[in-house]
Amino acid sequence: GAVVSQHPSWVICKSGTSVKIECRSLDFQATTMFWYRQFPKQSLMLMATSNEGSKATYEQGVEKDKFLINHASLTLSTLTVTSAHPEDSSFYICSASGTGGRNTEAFFGQGTRLTVV
Amino acid sequence: DAKTTQPPSMDCAEGRAANLPCNHSTISGNEYVYWYRQIHSQGPQYIIHGLKNNETNEMASLIITEDRKSSTLILPHATLRDTAVYYCIVRAAGTDKLIFGTGTRLQVFP
Repeated sequence: GAVVSQHPSWVICKSGTSVKIECRSLDFQATTMFWYRQFPKQSLMLMATSNEGSKATYEQGVEKDKFLINHASLTLSTLTVTSAHPEDSSFYICSASGTGGRNTEAFFGQGTRLTVV
Repeated sequence: DAKTTQPPSMDCAEGRAANLPCNHSTISGNEYVYWYRQIHSQGPQYIIHGLKNNETNEMASLIITEDRKSSTLILPHATLRDTAVYYCIVRAAGTDKLIFGTGTRLQVFP
């Protein structure tokens, strides 16, 4: 299957700082990428839809000014957690679908574990 | 999005078939059923998807009832590495979004 890569795999940052997470589709172009967050022993929660060349669409309850999303190319989307706090510690996962139309499978990155201390 | 209902957990002996059920009684005619699994601390892995016909690939088989209100994912010969949380997802029509439910935690034992 297609490959989606996230970087970094894990990061520890101090409270109040910002952290950027990258999501790349390595062997296909993705007009749309998705960002999820997962707390321990819980399911994945969709945070936002990242659209290449336009603004991201955020799910209800997700602060767009705190979670900045940029999708500048067909192979790269970034999520920046601004002014991170310990409650932002979580597992962040991205996914991407190809440009081949609907009802194709989405591929997921390996996830980024963020710990805010 | 159509909601899915899955048992929270299941056990399966290694080498035996694992049959994971999913109810999606409110599914619409143009919505697909997708199955993903998540091994601990990894991103979800695509398994299979279908609309109304049964599907099979190298990983699993997907059996969808005629009325499409439920489906079963079959892992024909479970191994210890199949231990994971399995998610049944109905993909919203006209969107690439995948909304995850709580899934089934499958434990394969020796």
